[in-house]
Amino acid sequence: DAGVIQSPRHEVTEMGQEVTLRCKPISGHDYLFWYRQTMMRGLELLIYFNNNVPIDDSGMPEDRFSAKMPNASFSNLKIQPSEPRDSAVYFCASSTTGAAGELFFGEGSRLTVL
Amino acid sequence: AQSVSQHNHHVILSEAASLELGCNYSYGGTVNLFWYVQYPGQHLQLLLKYFSGDPLVKGIKGFEAEFIKSKFSFNLRKPSVQWSDTAEYFCAVNAPDNAGNMLTFGGGTRLMVKP
Repeated sequence: DAGVIQSPRHEVTEMGQEVTLRCKPISGHDYLFWYRQTMMRGLELLIYFNNNVPIDDSGMPEDRFSAKMPNASFSNLKIQPSEPRDSAVYFCASSTTGAAGELFFGEGSRLTVL
Repeated sequence: AQSVSQHNHHVILSEAASLELGCNYSYGGTVNLFWYVQYPGQHLQLLLKYFSGDPLVKGIKGFEAEFIKSKFSFNLRKPSVQWSDTAEYFCAVNAPDNAGNMLTFGGGTRLMVKP
């Protein structure tokens, strides 16, 4: 299996621009998680889906952030408009119901907002 | 809701020293416990996990962790560290009765091993 695939690996953009981060979970996994990692705040859960349905989005920082999972093999996280404080590494992870919480992480998308 | 605390934010050791990283969680029900490792510039990878049974769990690369239910702890140990163990280590808890497959992570401990 190819594992969790994220794109882009690196993105540099200017404040105010829209950013779209993409994730392809492991085939057959029914949970998908978006995390953000920064030096100051560590690893934060933004949102997670079960069977393509958002279950908990309480970690999404504000309305500028949105995430969708239109089908079992794709999710995207959008930031519009982006701000410098959004600079972070965004990780996608997937899991399966039988895995009791064990997550498989993608390589991450490093976002820099100038 | 459950929470996880890791006592040491930064640890510096020399090669061959023994390692113990503390992890405590707060949740009174059934838990599944994990340690993840993040090598510099890489994603998180599973180091070891505890679901049930023997509270002493052995993972990859010589790591082990002990679940002590009475102390709500799941400390990570390695008898002799190597330079290649330099990484950030995250403890995580899953409470299946409370939060499905969701993992709550601790703040992480950055380990630097001097050659």
